[in-house]
Parts: sequence; C-alpha cells; structure tokens
Amino acid sequence: DAGITQSPRHKVTETGTPVTLRCHQTENHRYMYWYRQDPGHGLRLIHYSYGVKDTDKGEVSDGYSVSRSKTEDFLLTLESATSSQTSVYFCAIAGPGSPLHFGNGTRLTVT
Amino acid sequence: DQQVKQNSPSLSVQEGRISILNCDYTNSMFDYFLWYKKYPAEGPTFLISISSIKDKNEDGRFTVFLNKSAKHLSLHIVPSQPGDSAVYFCAAGEAGNNRKLIWGLGTSLAVNP
Repeated sequence: DAGITQSPRHKVTETGTPVTLRCHQTENHRYMYWYRQDPGHGLRLIHYSYGVKDTDKGEVSDGYSVSRSKTEDFLLTLESATSSQTSVYFCAIAGPGSPLHFGNGTRLTVT
Repeated sequence: DQQVKQNSPSLSVQEGRISILNCDYTNSMFDYFLWYKKYPAEGPTFLISISSIKDKNEDGRFTVFLNKSAKHLSLHIVPSQPGDSAVYFCAAGEAGNNRKLIWGLGTSLAVNP
C-alpha cells in the first residue's frame, strides 16, 4: 500500500538465527507499530515507537527488539528466532489522533 | 480472556442484501471502537470508527451501531457487494491511544453473487 512498505514479504529462517524485518513509511508519521497475527489471537502489539529513538514495549515483546534511527524506518529484530515466532507480522503507522494504517505484512516461518 | 469477541467466525450473504457483523466487549473503559477490513495477503484497512459519545456512525454503505449498555457494536453493510468479501476485525480501546487497542479474531464475510 502506498505510504508504508514492509520487507521482506516472506521469509523462512532456521531456529536460533537472528532476523530483521523492515518497515518503511513515506508519510512522515510520528507513530509506528509492530504487530503479530496468529490463529486464535487478535492482532497483538509487539513494540511501538513515538519518535526517532523513542520506543516502548507492547503486549508480546519478549524475544523482540526494535530500532528507529530515522522517522521513516522502524526495524523489528528477532534476536534468536524460535518456532513460536512463526507468524505474520504487520507494521502500522498513525498520525496524531488517526487510526492505524497497516502495511501488507511479512510472513515469517521459523523451521 | 478475550476482551473483544467476534462470535461468528464466518458469515455468508447474498449480493444486495444486508451484512451484519457483530462484536462484543467486556471492558467498560473502552470509549473508541473501530472496524477494519482485510483481504488475503494484505494488511487490515480502516473502515469506520465510533466514539462512545455516539450510538451510530455512517459512511456510505457502512454503518456502525454502538450499544454501550450491552457492550455491543455491529457493522452493517448495505447493500453487500462481492468486493466486500473479506475478514472484518473489530477493535476497541481508548480514544487517541492506538497502542492500547484490543482486537477481535475477525469474521470472514462471503458475499455471493
């Protein structure tokens, strides 16, 4: 979707390896979010950012770290991937008082 | 325990008829509710929202109704079109605080020609 791009769209990795997912926005929005979507669960917030170098944990942050060195990029890192982190990951952006606008997701499989 | 429940995993309606998707919540502190639509291999797309100070919000073919006493909201799509076939997610939380949103599991709507 215009304005927010996630890469890669698909990734298969092995248990124990580090993985980084990228979210890039062209909207200059302050707020960025990483969610995961799994069967039997609603979207769950992993981490979010409220500005460059300003990040905080969400509901399911264990095993994940994030970085935001530029307004447009928000990186999600799985420090040592586990099979429980097999999921679809969505990045979202939002302006002040605006609803979330989501990217098209990254499907990650950890074998 | 799910704070936002969409009790119907799927719904099938005929083109031109009304689609009604339901959502129940348990937390009386929620004052902001949203509906998103999701097509396969895409991210959720914002449809419509409602604040707890209202009981109805309308946008074209989409209307959201909020019953605070019952802690229930519904999304009406009239008339339904085949392009409306998607998964619909309800979300609830505090106004202006996206990081506190709680999401339902979704209802898969199929609109048959």
